[in-house]
Amino acid sequence: QKEVEQNSGPLSVPEGAIASLNCTYSDRGSQSFFWYRQYSGKSPELIMSIYSNGDKEDGRFTAQLNKASQYVSLLIRDSQPSDSATYLCAVNPNTDKLIFGTGTRLQVFP
Amino acid sequence: GAVVSQHPSRVICKSGTSVKIECRSLDFQATTMFWYRQFPKKSLMLMATSNEGSKATYEQGVEKDKFLINHASLTLSTLTVTSAHPEDSSFYICSAGTGLGNEQFFGPGTRLTVL
Repeated sequence: QKEVEQNSGPLSVPEGAIASLNCTYSDRGSQSFFWYRQYSGKSPELIMSIYSNGDKEDGRFTAQLNKASQYVSLLIRDSQPSDSATYLCAVNPNTDKLIFGTGTRLQVFP
Repeated sequence: GAVVSQHPSRVICKSGTSVKIECRSLDFQATTMFWYRQFPKKSLMLMATSNEGSKATYEQGVEKDKFLINHASLTLSTLTVTSAHPEDSSFYICSAGTGLGNEQFFGPGTRLTVL
């Protein structure tokens, strides 16, 4: 059983729309949650971190965490073609390592 | 802040040679550094975790004698791919942990091609 699950996509949204990316995790004791963006051929870039239940907003990005349901999501408002990338969900299950999902590929078309 | 550099960005070598990759945290002291490998269109695969001054912890299936990791200081870790073969060709990425919530910051990666 995978510890962090994401839909591989691609998720296609029109420019200006809201992109919604979801992630579920299996370790109920996990405390830290992260979203990374990875452009093709590049390394991952941290875009959001969230530690407590609820929403956390940063510019066009909103991370949502629900520990009871063991899911974390990322909303991207006013999606732009430059947002087209693979988005990796990462969970820290109270160790020194992060457990990564396989990523969701987002395509924003003009 | 939280900048991680990696050198070289790209290397091409002959089969049988060894390649060293450096990872540096430029503006913070990294309590832990991580080495990942990623094949085209595949997900990140953690190879090993290293802490300054101690031996690296390798993930299952990763040969410690082939992938030598040295973490000499809080800002520098190196990965040496020994006796490289074409199947070692991959994108190698390091990351550094700040210890605050265990977030990791990635270096730009090293693309290794073994001929």
